[in-house]
Amino acid sequence: AQSVSQHNHHVILSEAASLELGCNYSYGGTVNLFWYVQYPGQHLQLLLKYFSGDPLVKGIKGFEAEFIKSKFSFNLRKPSVQWSDTAEYFCAVNDMASSASKIIFGSGTRLSIRP
Amino acid sequence: DAGVIQSPRHEVTEMGQEVTLRCKPISGHDYLFWYRQTMMRGLELLIYFNNNVPIDDSGMPEDRFSAKMPNASFSTLKIQPSEPRDSAVYFCASSLREKGFNEQFFGPGTRLTVL
Repeated sequence: AQSVSQHNHHVILSEAASLELGCNYSYGGTVNLFWYVQYPGQHLQLLLKYFSGDPLVKGIKGFEAEFIKSKFSFNLRKPSVQWSDTAEYFCAVNDMASSASKIIFGSGTRLSIRP
Repeated sequence: DAGVIQSPRHEVTEMGQEVTLRCKPISGHDYLFWYRQTMMRGLELLIYFNNNVPIDDSGMPEDRFSAKMPNASFSTLKIQPSEPRDSAVYFCASSLREKGFNEQFFGPGTRLTVL
């Protein structure tokens, strides 16, 4: 079955530490990829997206993600996290072949930043 | 621009009562999605519409759940009768498919508590 895997359920870091959150998907065809962020008590907001072109995508608030097709991965990175980055992060995939309209979300990774 | 609007923001009801959640998508968007978020199951797609027509309702958990989209600017998700296990945050999202790309914009959610 098609799926999106986020292996880290909860990550705890200190401020200024570097961040990498893993995301793997199981689709073989053309995909669009997303990272959404959900701050405590708020709705999901788009952090960054990959459609085509440069596999290294820059998003808001200093986040970036790299699409590695051979590894079916789209990991999220930030060189230096801040306390305000405390949130839940969702990786999502839009499989263009099976349903270009439907986005499949991963289970989310909760990020806690110690001040 | 107004984003996706959901009402009510909070709903507390007793088991057995009918609950109706409402959503106004972003003007001009042609897709509308209903999601449910719980700690146990994460973010689940319940149903989505394209041009007011339901396309995939395979995520609707039971016959107690129903959704309608009578026009391009309004959708409802109804639970009748409600049960305590329906307690969750329900998100509505909308999107406009352009050039095969489908970024979803989320509403603030309705937090439903069924006692």
